[in-house]
Amino acid sequence: SQQGEEDPQALSIQEGENATMNCSYKTSINNLQWYRQNSGRGLVHLILIRSNEREKHSGRLRVTLDTSKKSSSLLITASRAADTASYFCATDAWRGSEKLVFGKGTKLTVNP
Amino acid sequence: EAGVTQFPSHSVIEKGQTVTLRCDPISGHDNLYWYRRVMGKEIKFLLHFVKESKQDESGMPNNRFLAERTGGTYSTLKVQPAELEDSGVYFCASSQVWSGYTFGSGTRLTVV
Repeated sequence: SQQGEEDPQALSIQEGENATMNCSYKTSINNLQWYRQNSGRGLVHLILIRSNEREKHSGRLRVTLDTSKKSSSLLITASRAADTASYFCATDAWRGSEKLVFGKGTKLTVNP
Repeated sequence: EAGVTQFPSHSVIEKGQTVTLRCDPISGHDNLYWYRRVMGKEIKFLLHFVKESKQDESGMPNNRFLAERTGGTYSTLKVQPAELEDSGVYFCASSQVWSGYTFGSGTRLTVV
């Protein structure tokens, strides 16, 4: 089964609104990360949350992690048109190799 | 500090041709990873180098793909012969111990 499955697959909101994306995974993890990809360009690391953390903030980003439910959420507050991108969660397995397992991502569109 | 550099940024080749992608990691990073995102699908791990050694190549799709990292510096990923389904974005990342990944901007490969 696929690790790191995000939902929704696509999300369209107005500038100024908040955007929430969710991610579920299936096996025990060491860390969970969120990345952004702007229209076919490179991956940009947004935030990392460790398995023993429950919540983390970075600027307009808030990430939560619930290891009992094997899920995470990424909240972007006061969204801007520049936030339009695809967002991916990625997990690395506990006691596994350092490779990351990505989901299919959520395509976020912020309309001006 | 220079980031992870990939080139070319975009390559269009015909089916059956050969293409070589290059990745220059951050200087001093022993770990180098290749990932790819085939159109509309999730980002998948291809392989992991530690210095010049292949630590994990479980994600390499078939023997048309050959990755090298001579001298433990830059890496190349050769696709020979290329097929239509190889089209996608190929990402490279590097890290040192567990310092977190830095991804390059990716190479968009189009096989026609």
